[in-house]
Amino acid sequence: DVKVTQSSRYLVKRTGEKVFLECVQDMDHENMFWYRQDPGLGLRLIYFSYDVKMKEKGDIPEGYSVSREKKERFSLILESASTNQTSMYLCASRNPGPQETQYFGPGTRLLVL
Amino acid sequence: AQSVTQPDIHITVSEGASLELRCNYSYGATPYLFWYVQSPGQGLQLLLKYFSGDTLVQGIKGFEAEFKRSQSSFNLRKPSVHWSDAAEYFCAVGVGAGGTSYGKLTFGQGTILTVHP
Repeated sequence: DVKVTQSSRYLVKRTGEKVFLECVQDMDHENMFWYRQDPGLGLRLIYFSYDVKMKEKGDIPEGYSVSREKKERFSLILESASTNQTSMYLCASRNPGPQETQYFGPGTRLLVL
Repeated sequence: AQSVTQPDIHITVSEGASLELRCNYSYGATPYLFWYVQSPGQGLQLLLKYFSGDTLVQGIKGFEAEFKRSQSSFNLRKPSVHWSDAAEYFCAVGVGAGGTSYGKLTFGQGTILTVHP
């Protein structure tokens, strides 16, 4: 079974802090994704990575950056957390190819005070 | 740009009743369509997907969905709902048909399903 793990289920941070969200997958997937999920808005793509050290902006990249130094690990960074970044963050991974499924981690619920 | 609309934010059904969750998409080419389910506190799990061929696709947990190109719809159905089906359901459309698409998905807003005993 594919397993996507996220380092924390819940996080509480203060405004202005630098926040790291970690995602690890164990299936040697090339593509990895970070989404945020907000009620009534569904999931929105923040950033994705199609290979190690490669990244592209998604639909809402402002205020975020990412890092992918190893194939299995994809980090989302909030350079200076703000209250409007309070949300559920979901990581996903997949193999290349249009018919491949994205597999999701359990999510990290972040509260920024 | 592609988009997905799930017109129903919240649906309530009785256990044993049939279920249909609506999904409408907008995309210029042949869509790749997915339904995911999210149980409380969990990540998303794939229920089923459509790429081509038979427009009625079967998924896990007794779900099925029908692709109707003329209506730009991909509605999810289940003939008899169980209490464990209570969750949030997301429809998504995949971008492109080429390898450079990287499988980006655009999601609908989600439909919360409540099941009454």
